[in-house]
Amino acid sequence: GAGVSQSPSNKVTEKGKDVELRCDPISGHTALYWYRQSLGQGLEFLIYFQGNSAPDKSGLPSDRFSAERTGGSVSTLTIQRTQQEDSAVYLCASSFGGGTQETQYFGPGTRLLVL
Amino acid sequence: GNSVTQMEGPVTLSEEAFLTINCTYTATGYPSLFWYVQYPGEGLQLLLKATKADDKGSNKGFEATYRKETTSFHLEKGSVQVSDSAVYFCALLPIGTSYGKLTFGQGTILTVHP
Repeated sequence: GAGVSQSPSNKVTEKGKDVELRCDPISGHTALYWYRQSLGQGLEFLIYFQGNSAPDKSGLPSDRFSAERTGGSVSTLTIQRTQQEDSAVYLCASSFGGGTQETQYFGPGTRLLVL
Repeated sequence: GNSVTQMEGPVTLSEEAFLTINCTYTATGYPSLFWYVQYPGEGLQLLLKATKADDKGSNKGFEATYRKETTSFHLEKGSVQVSDSAVYFCALLPIGTSYGKLTFGQGTILTVHP
Protein backbone atom coordinates (compact mmCIF):
# COMPACT_ATOMS: atom_id res chain seq x y z
CA GLY A 1 0.00 0.00 0.00
CA ALA A 2 0.93 3.65 -0.15
CA GLY A 3 3.49 4.92 2.30
CA VAL A 4 3.81 8.31 3.95
CA SER A 5 3.94 11.07 1.38
CA GLN A 6 5.19 14.62 1.75
CA SER A 7 4.97 17.68 -0.43
CA PRO A 8 6.68 19.55 -1.83
CA SER A 9 9.81 17.45 -2.11
CA ASN A 10 11.91 20.61 -2.41
CA LYS A 11 11.16 24.20 -1.45
CA VAL A 12 13.31 27.28 -1.95
CA THR A 13 12.10 30.46 -0.30
CA GLU A 14 13.36 33.89 0.61
CA LYS A 15 14.09 34.89 4.16
CA GLY A 16 11.00 36.35 5.80
CA LYS A 17 8.47 34.41 3.74
CA ASP A 18 6.03 31.87 5.18
CA VAL A 19 6.08 28.22 4.04
CA GLU A 20 3.70 25.29 4.43
CA LEU A 21 4.84 21.68 4.35
CA ARG A 22 2.35 18.87 3.94
CA CYS A 23 2.30 15.30 5.20
CA ASP A 24 -0.11 12.52 4.20
CA PRO A 25 0.24 9.65 6.67
CA ILE A 26 -0.53 6.02 5.96
CA SER A 27 -4.27 5.45 5.98
CA GLY A 28 -5.48 4.27 9.37
CA HIS A 29 -2.44 5.50 11.28
CA THR A 30 -3.51 7.54 14.28
CA ALA A 31 -0.09 8.84 15.34
CA LEU A 32 1.88 11.41 13.34
CA TYR A 33 5.31 12.89 14.04
CA TRP A 34 7.35 15.72 12.52
CA TYR A 35 11.15 15.70 12.72
CA ARG A 36 13.81 18.04 11.35
CA GLN A 37 17.13 16.91 9.89
CA SER A 38 19.66 19.72 9.69
CA LEU A 39 23.42 19.97 9.32
CA GLY A 40 25.10 19.91 12.66
CA GLN A 41 21.91 19.09 14.56
CA GLY A 42 21.05 15.64 13.30
CA LEU A 43 17.44 14.52 13.49
CA GLU A 44 15.29 16.42 15.99
CA PHE A 45 11.76 15.75 17.15
CA LEU A 46 9.39 18.65 16.51
CA ILE A 47 5.78 17.68 17.24
CA TYR A 48 3.52 14.67 17.82
CA PHE A 49 -0.18 14.16 17.11
CA GLN A 50 -2.26 11.26 18.41
CA GLY A 51 -5.90 11.00 17.44
CA ASN A 52 -7.91 13.87 18.88
CA SER A 53 -5.57 14.49 21.80
CA ALA A 54 -3.72 17.76 22.25
CA PRO A 55 -0.41 17.57 20.35
CA ASP A 56 2.98 17.48 22.03
CA LYS A 57 4.66 20.62 20.69
CA SER A 58 7.69 20.42 22.96
CA GLY A 59 10.17 20.11 20.10
CA LEU A 60 9.12 23.17 18.11
CA PRO A 61 12.14 25.51 18.09
CA SER A 62 10.27 28.82 18.17
CA ASP A 63 6.80 30.33 17.97
CA ARG A 64 7.33 30.81 14.23
CA PHE A 65 6.66 27.10 13.89
CA SER A 66 3.17 25.65 14.09
CA ALA A 67 1.44 22.51 12.91
CA GLU A 68 -2.05 21.22 12.59
CA ARG A 69 -3.67 17.96 11.70
CA THR A 70 -7.06 18.10 10.08
CA GLY A 71 -9.56 15.29 10.47
CA GLY A 72 -6.97 13.08 12.10
CA SER A 73 -5.20 12.57 8.78
CA VAL A 74 -3.26 15.16 6.76
CA SER A 75 -0.88 17.42 8.66
CA THR A 76 0.59 20.79 7.73
CA LEU A 77 3.73 22.26 9.26
CA THR A 78 3.88 26.05 8.88
CA ILE A 79 6.99 28.15 9.32
CA GLN A 80 6.36 31.90 9.48
CA ARG A 81 8.97 34.56 8.66
CA THR A 82 11.52 31.93 7.64
CA GLN A 83 15.15 32.34 8.65
CA GLN A 84 18.25 30.84 7.07
CA GLU A 85 18.71 28.53 10.06
CA ASP A 86 15.35 26.94 9.18
CA SER A 87 17.01 25.34 6.14
CA ALA A 88 16.76 21.58 6.70
CA VAL A 89 14.98 18.43 5.63
CA TYR A 90 11.60 18.11 7.36
CA LEU A 91 10.52 14.53 7.89
CA CYS A 92 7.07 13.23 8.72
CA ALA A 93 6.36 9.80 10.20
CA SER A 94 3.21 7.94 11.11
CA SER A 95 2.42 4.84 13.14
CA PHE A 96 -0.66 2.73 13.68
CA GLY A 97 -0.86 3.76 17.31
CA GLY A 98 1.12 6.10 19.49
CA GLY A 99 2.67 3.47 21.73
CA THR A 100 6.39 2.95 22.05
CA GLN A 101 6.21 -0.47 20.40
CA GLU A 102 4.67 0.92 17.23
CA THR A 103 6.98 1.16 14.23
CA GLN A 104 7.21 4.63 12.74
CA TYR A 105 7.04 4.84 8.95
CA PHE A 106 8.83 7.85 7.49
CA GLY A 107 8.12 9.89 4.41
CA PRO A 108 10.86 10.98 1.98
CA GLY A 109 11.01 14.46 3.48
CA THR A 110 10.76 18.04 2.26
CA ARG A 111 14.07 19.78 1.66
CA LEU A 112 13.71 23.45 2.60
CA LEU A 113 16.26 26.07 1.58
CA VAL A 114 15.90 29.60 2.89
CA LEU A 115 17.95 32.13 0.94
CA GLY B 1 19.20 14.66 28.95
CA ASN B 2 19.05 11.84 26.46
CA SER B 3 21.56 11.68 23.63
CA VAL B 4 22.99 9.33 21.01
CA THR B 5 26.51 9.50 19.62
CA GLN B 6 27.50 7.71 16.41
CA MET B 7 30.88 7.23 14.86
CA GLU B 8 31.64 9.91 12.34
CA GLY B 9 31.48 9.05 8.70
CA PRO B 10 31.61 8.71 5.91
CA VAL B 11 32.56 5.05 5.93
CA THR B 12 33.80 3.57 2.67
CA LEU B 13 34.19 -0.20 2.26
CA SER B 14 34.71 -2.75 -0.46
CA GLU B 15 32.05 -5.34 -1.12
CA GLU B 16 32.17 -8.32 1.30
CA ALA B 17 34.07 -6.33 3.92
CA PHE B 18 33.07 -6.41 7.60
CA LEU B 19 31.10 -3.41 8.86
CA THR B 20 30.94 -1.86 12.29
CA ILE B 21 29.20 1.44 13.02
CA ASN B 22 29.59 2.47 16.64
CA CYS B 23 26.73 3.92 18.66
CA THR B 24 26.72 4.93 22.32
CA TYR B 25 23.94 6.54 24.27
CA THR B 26 23.18 8.55 27.38
CA ALA B 27 19.84 7.94 29.05
CA THR B 28 18.30 7.01 32.38
CA GLY B 29 17.51 3.37 32.98
CA TYR B 30 16.89 1.05 30.07
CA PRO B 31 15.80 2.87 26.92
CA SER B 32 14.76 1.02 23.78
CA LEU B 33 17.38 1.22 21.04
CA PHE B 34 16.97 1.30 17.26
CA TRP B 35 18.87 1.42 14.01
CA TYR B 36 17.19 3.18 11.10
CA VAL B 37 18.46 3.22 7.50
CA GLN B 38 17.87 5.80 4.79
CA TYR B 39 18.55 4.60 1.25
CA PRO B 40 19.15 7.22 -1.45
CA GLY B 41 15.92 8.99 -2.35
CA GLU B 42 13.86 7.11 0.24
CA GLY B 43 12.49 7.72 3.70
CA LEU B 44 13.93 6.36 6.93
CA GLN B 45 13.18 2.69 7.55
CA LEU B 46 13.45 0.73 10.76
CA LEU B 47 16.33 -1.75 10.38
CA LEU B 48 16.35 -3.41 13.80
CA LYS B 49 15.66 -2.76 17.46
CA ALA B 50 16.29 -4.03 20.98
CA THR B 51 14.24 -3.24 24.03
CA LYS B 52 16.25 -4.63 26.95
CA ALA B 53 19.82 -5.30 27.99
CA ASP B 54 21.63 -8.14 26.15
CA ASP B 55 18.91 -8.28 23.49
CA LYS B 56 20.22 -8.72 19.95
CA GLY B 57 18.33 -7.11 17.10
CA SER B 58 18.89 -8.52 13.63
CA ASN B 59 17.61 -7.96 10.10
CA LYS B 60 18.97 -8.32 6.54
CA GLY B 61 22.28 -9.67 7.86
CA PHE B 62 22.77 -6.71 10.23
CA GLU B 63 23.04 -7.23 13.98
CA ALA B 64 23.30 -5.04 17.06
CA THR B 65 23.51 -6.07 20.71
CA TYR B 66 22.21 -3.90 23.57
CA ARG B 67 25.12 -3.51 25.99
CA LYS B 68 24.05 -1.80 29.20
CA GLU B 69 27.51 -1.94 30.76
CA THR B 70 29.04 0.06 27.91
CA THR B 71 25.82 1.94 26.97
CA SER B 72 26.37 0.85 23.37
CA PHE B 73 24.42 -0.55 20.44
CA HIS B 74 26.99 -1.05 17.69
CA LEU B 75 25.76 -2.09 14.25
CA GLU B 76 27.60 -4.95 12.50
CA LYS B 77 27.41 -6.88 9.27
CA GLY B 78 29.76 -9.64 8.27
CA SER B 79 29.78 -9.03 4.51
CA VAL B 80 28.44 -5.78 3.07
CA GLN B 81 26.97 -5.38 -0.39
CA VAL B 82 26.81 -2.39 -2.72
CA SER B 83 23.08 -2.24 -1.99
CA ASP B 84 23.85 -1.50 1.69
CA SER B 85 25.09 1.96 0.72
CA ALA B 86 22.90 4.31 2.75
CA VAL B 87 22.81 6.56 5.80
CA TYR B 88 22.44 4.74 9.11
CA PHE B 89 20.92 6.34 12.21
CA CYS B 90 21.06 5.06 15.76
CA ALA B 91 18.14 6.14 17.97
CA LEU B 92 16.71 5.68 21.43
CA LEU B 93 13.34 5.83 23.11
CA PRO B 94 13.60 6.76 26.79
CA ILE B 95 12.13 4.51 29.46
CA GLY B 96 8.76 5.67 30.65
CA THR B 97 7.92 7.41 27.38
CA SER B 98 4.26 7.08 26.54
CA TYR B 99 4.81 7.46 22.80
CA GLY B 100 7.53 7.14 20.19
CA LYS B 101 9.46 10.39 20.63
CA LEU B 102 12.79 9.20 19.23
CA THR B 103 16.20 10.75 19.91
CA PHE B 104 18.55 10.19 16.96
CA GLY B 105 22.28 10.21 16.42
CA GLN B 106 23.89 12.27 13.69
CA GLY B 107 23.82 9.54 11.08
CA THR B 108 26.69 7.69 9.39
CA ILE B 109 27.05 7.60 5.62
CA LEU B 110 28.12 4.20 4.31
CA THR B 111 29.39 3.71 0.77
CA VAL B 112 30.20 0.22 -0.49
CA HIS B 113 32.25 -0.16 -3.68
CA PRO B 114 32.17 -3.25 -5.91
